[in-house]
Amino acid sequence: QVHLVQSGAEVKKPGSSVKVSCQASGDTFRTHAFSWVRQAPGQGLEWMGNIIPVLDAANYAQRFQDRVTITTDESTNTVYMEMRSLTTEDTALYYCARVGGTYYDGYAYDLWGQGTMVTVSS
Amino acid sequence: DIVMTQSPDSLAVSVGERATINCKSSQSLFFSSKNRNYLAWYQQKPGQPPKLLIYWASTRDSGVPDRFSGSGSGTDFTLTITSLQAEDVATYYCHQYYTAPLTFGGGTKVEIK
Repeated sequence: QVHLVQSGAEVKKPGSSVKVSCQASGDTFRTHAFSWVRQAPGQGLEWMGNIIPVLDAANYAQRFQDRVTITTDESTNTVYMEMRSLTTEDTALYYCARVGGTYYDGYAYDLWGQGTMVTVSS
Repeated sequence: DIVMTQSPDSLAVSVGERATINCKSSQSLFFSSKNRNYLAWYQQKPGQPPKLLIYWASTRDSGVPDRFSGSGSGTDFTLTITSLQAEDVATYYCHQYYTAPLTFGGGTKVEIK
């Protein structure tokens, strides 16, 4: 059974950066697309961007375009999300999620990581 | 951006009764060449990540009980729980994957009456 395992909670100062990882078990890493979705405390879900490992192509929500980078390491089946210039408003639970189906004919998110809490506080 | 509007924000239903959640998109999610609506539903319980229930507007994901069903097309969609169980207490989100930026509804909290 495939799992997405994310890195542990982070506490950061305003203005700093954070890099969260998401490792996929199983052998279907290259055929899927992966996204990052965040959820502020008590709030809804917000899509940040996605990446297709086999194409090394990333796509971002406009509000994150300038300070988020999503990358992959195929040797370890890991997806990364790096966010720079953190503010207190970035305090949230960050999820990685796998797009069901293949990267060229995908559907919704059929697999989610357990979430990584990022707290930004001075 | 496509705006997803869910209603109601919350609802309380007796065990065994029907729960209905609505979702309206600001533009059509129907892709005619694929004959599909790019709309999904998720269930999120406290302290857990979302779980996929329905995709292509009406296809149940593997292992999802058949009391959950999705319907609708274009801009108007519905998630129905035909006989609510205690374990269905959760927040439910609709989600469009028609075009980037992908967007979610604000969520509907379902509780037991």
